[in-house]
Amino acid sequence: EPEVTQTPSHQVTQMGQEVILRCVPISNHLYFYWYRQILGQKVEFLVSFYNNEISEKSEIFDDQFSVERPDGSNFTLKIRSTKLEDSAMYFCASGTGIEKLFFGSGTQLSVL
Amino acid sequence: QQPVQSPQAVILREGEDAVINCSSSKALYSVHWYRQKHGEAPVFLMILLKGGEQKGHEKISASFNEKKQQSSLYLTASQLSYSGTYFCGTERVGRGNQFYFGTGTSLTVIP
Repeated sequence: EPEVTQTPSHQVTQMGQEVILRCVPISNHLYFYWYRQILGQKVEFLVSFYNNEISEKSEIFDDQFSVERPDGSNFTLKIRSTKLEDSAMYFCASGTGIEKLFFGSGTQLSVL
Repeated sequence: QQPVQSPQAVILREGEDAVINCSSSKALYSVHWYRQKHGEAPVFLMILLKGGEQKGHEKISASFNEKKQQSSLYLTASQLSYSGTYFCGTERVGRGNQFYFGTGTSLTVIP
């Protein structure tokens, strides 16, 4: 069964550094999402992406965050200057619509 | 605003039933249910698209009351494999592609 893949599985960075989280969505999917989950808490919507542009974003997704689909397969989330509170599990998801989302296994980001 | 789920946590013995509720202060177009096992990604269970729709998946079923902006997930004769955190998810009416998860319900099934 096709799956969403995310790399790296763990990322440790120093506060203030830039990080790029990578995702390869399922190939025929058109809608892409980033979510984050702070340990033990709810899954929070960050951004949705369709037709090469952001379609929706939450208040969490401020100017420090950006997304890109640099080629036909990758979908990246960049955090320009990481803060301690950015530490979380980041999930990428994709779908042919919003009816059913397929999630990657996540990238655990630790900001020190 | 994210949907609110209740209860926050529940512990069941194998074979017992449980109901998880999800309610929203905003109009709902659809309700989705996901299960997340510890340390894993959320996995899609089902979607309900119409008000009053009920769906089933093995011994897990759900209902959607569009007027009350609520959904309930029913787990019957629970199995150990049902343990995990259950999230409802909704898309806001008129705001497609903005998909929110509820606050989550931790379900633990013990032998």
